[in-house]
Formats: sequence, structure tokens, C-alpha cells
Amino acid sequence: DTEVTQTPKHLVMGMTNKKSLKCEQHMGHRAMYWYKQKAKKPPELMFVYSYEKLSINESVPSRFSPECPNSSLLNLHLHALQPEDSALYLCASSHPRDTNTDTQYFGPGTRLTVL
Amino acid sequence: GIQVEQSPPDLILQEGANSTLRCNFSDSVNNLQWFHQNPWGQLINLFYIPSGTKQNGRLSATTVATERYSLLYISSSQTTDSGVYFCAPGRNSGGGADGLTFGKGTHLIIQP
Repeated sequence: DTEVTQTPKHLVMGMTNKKSLKCEQHMGHRAMYWYKQKAKKPPELMFVYSYEKLSINESVPSRFSPECPNSSLLNLHLHALQPEDSALYLCASSHPRDTNTDTQYFGPGTRLTVL
Repeated sequence: GIQVEQSPPDLILQEGANSTLRCNFSDSVNNLQWFHQNPWGQLINLFYIPSGTKQNGRLSATTVATERYSLLYISSSQTTDSGVYFCAPGRNSGGGADGLTFGKGTHLIIQP
């Protein structure tokens, strides 16, 4: 099973709302990632978790708050977002580099619209 | 951070044609992956190839790490090959997981 699942598929929220994106994998991977992709642009790294600890934060605004409750689950909590935060949010997982490959497997994404 | 340049930015081919996509990167890397993004946004990993050559069916990839470039070859193109192809090198963060830096991609259209 090489599947990464993300919920919801689509989300529309106002600037005062609080919402959460969820990502789940059952491949035994110990690294999980959040990327943001604006229309017609490449994905941009936001956060990396390795063994449930935050290892990379690419200077993301505090209105985005990641959480890794366990090795299979990754959340992204959203609060007071701006319309320019509208994008496709992609989750990925991989084995960390102490194995022979660090192939990243991506979920289908959550398409977020902020009104 | 790593700078990534992909060429060509756009490519339109007839079904059955072959193509070569190029990725240049600015620093030494210990991780490089090629992805295909379909029109619905799903990113599919094609190759994990920090160095050397790999083949998978009609696709193959070569990375020459010492010269900081990678090539993706697509042979006998099919309409389902259409989409955006991304090159994404990464560097070990020290935490055991590499964050990838994506190039701007090559937008490939295969016409029947």
C-alpha cells in the first residue's frame, strides 16, 4: 500500500475561521511533509517532520500550525488565513535517509479557498 | 537554497515521439526525484535518482551529480504522458529527512 490520504479534498473558509487539514499514511514511513502549491507554480516546502519531531520550518507564518500526533498522522491547523493563502496543500511521506531510498509519496492534496 | 532550472518549459509532441527533459541544479545534492503531476494535481514519483541511471518501462532517467544535472527520457509518448514534469533535488537536513526544492517544471502536451 503506497497511499497517502488527505482530507478534506476541498475546503472553503473565511478569514476568521479555524480549520484543520489531515494527512494519513500506513506505509510505516517516519518522515512526513507539507507542501503548498499555488496555481501554475511548483510545490513549495512548508514543514518536515522526522520521527514525529519538526525538523524543518521554512519560515511559514504562524497562522499555519503543524502537528504530528503519531507516526501515521500529520495535521495542519489553519487560523486567520488570508485570501493569498488559497492554494493546493500537499502532504507527502517517506522513509528517512537512513534507508536506501527517500522516495516521497504524495497525497492527492486539499484545495483550499480563503474568502 | 538550491537553485533548480528545468528545460524546456513547454513541449508539444505527437503521440509516439521521444523527448528529453533537462534539470540543472546549483549545489551538490544527495537526493533527486522526478515527478509527474497529472491534470488533477496528483504528483506521482517517477524516479529517486541522486546519481546514475534508472529505467522504468518507457521512461528512464540519468543524473550526473558531479556536473549537477539530470535528464528524463520519455520514449514512444502516449497521450496519458501529458502533464507537468518536475525535477526536485534535496539536501539532507540532518534530521534524516530531505525537504525537496522543485523546479518550475516542464509542461508536456502529447497530441493524438
